[in-house]
Amino acid sequence: RKEVEQDPGPFNVPEGATVAFNCTYSNSASQSFFWYRQDCRKEPKLLMSVYSSGNEDGRFTAQLNRASQYISLLIRDSKLSDSATYLCAVSPNNAGNMLTFGGGTRLMVKP
Amino acid sequence: NAGVTQTPKFRILKIGQSMTLQCAQDMNHNYMYWYRQDPGMGLKLIYYSVGAGITDKGEVPNGYNVSRSTTEDFPLRLELAAPSQTSVYFCASSYEHSNQPQHFGDGTRLSIL
Repeated sequence: RKEVEQDPGPFNVPEGATVAFNCTYSNSASQSFFWYRQDCRKEPKLLMSVYSSGNEDGRFTAQLNRASQYISLLIRDSKLSDSATYLCAVSPNNAGNMLTFGGGTRLMVKP
Repeated sequence: NAGVTQTPKFRILKIGQSMTLQCAQDMNHNYMYWYRQDPGMGLKLIYYSVGAGITDKGEVPNGYNVSRSTTEDFPLRLELAAPSQTSVYFCASSYEHSNQPQHFGDGTRLSIL
């Protein structure tokens, strides 16, 4: 089993739709969690950190479920500009800042 | 706001050639990382450094070497380029605490022919 797994997609959704991605992790001692966005042929850019109580940033909501060992990203009112690959990243412990990345989920928002 | 700067952006090498990918950051981050990303795949850690003079292997270190003589710079060297090293290489940096995200350079696209 991979340490961090994501459904590669693609998720094809119409503009205005709500879409959610999950990311599962195998190490129960994981401490920190992030969602990155990666546009085609570009570098990953931090979208948001994921906090234990869940957090929201505009149309984006991130949640952590420690019992089932997954994080989620919800995008409301999808825009064409949301089309990208979304990478989750997990820090296995709090001794340093090593991240393990999932393979990414591709989102395509259609007009 | 330079952030993490990588050079070159593109390079084509012949099998057996060597080259150094440069990475510099101006955010005074202690931690720096090198990843490779193959088409349609996630990021794999090659090497990382927790401070000047300290480096360690990541998941896929074979065929690469690094050095960290200053806080700012973290070059990645390919000694004998092989076709399997064709990839996009990303350098990243961060503060040391695990709740701090990594910041990426815009990548070096390397083809070995």
